[in-house]
Amino acid sequence: GEQVEQRPPHLSVREGDSAVITCTYTDPNSYYFFWYKQEPGASLQLLMKVFSSTEINEGQGFTVLLNKKDKRLSLNLTAAHPGDSAAYFCAVSGAGFASALTFGSGTKVIPCLP
Amino acid sequence: EAAVTQSPRNKVTVTGGNVTLSCRQTNSHNYMYWYRQDTGHGLRLIHYSYGAGNLQIGDVPDGYKATRTTQEDFFLLLELASPSQTSLYFCASRDRGQAPLFGEGTRLSVL
Repeated sequence: GEQVEQRPPHLSVREGDSAVITCTYTDPNSYYFFWYKQEPGASLQLLMKVFSSTEINEGQGFTVLLNKKDKRLSLNLTAAHPGDSAAYFCAVSGAGFASALTFGSGTKVIPCLP
Repeated sequence: EAAVTQSPRNKVTVTGGNVTLSCRQTNSHNYMYWYRQDTGHGLRLIHYSYGAGNLQIGDVPDGYKATRTTQEDFFLLLELASPSQTSLYFCASRDRGQAPLFGEGTRLSVL
């Protein structure tokens, strides 16, 4: 079945700096890609959904890149601020009727003072 | 407003105990999922369902049963709870092609 590897597990980033979280997946038929944010003690909040046909997606304060050739999905936080302190998870699923999501193991982001 | 409601939010039981976690969604979604979240593992899929009466086995099903009684309600059953099942459990619902919507989670401790 699908396997998703997420790196790094922890990320300290200075306020105002950028940071990148990367997920690699194994199933070439993967079709839907998601990034979730989880603040301490809270549930998962959808950051972005990425279709397989779109390589670059921009959100508020972040960019998501999809490289299907390398089977790599990345989340780039463009200018870290205290509100980015959270765990981030990627998730991947196929296009099929029965596809469930497979999650990465998560990255804990800690913005620190410049 | 779309919602997934889990109950209870916290539960403590003893080894060998019987536990039922409940999930209700009001989104008219066909798909519902149970995940467990443990440090270093992300979310792992336990069971999922396409609709009332349907059940599919996930990646970590051992020690868990599930039942989907209606389109809205999905239950996770631990009939002989063990300390290894101490975890944070999330329920989610989804329509095909859409992002899953997660409940607030149930924190289970098995002593």
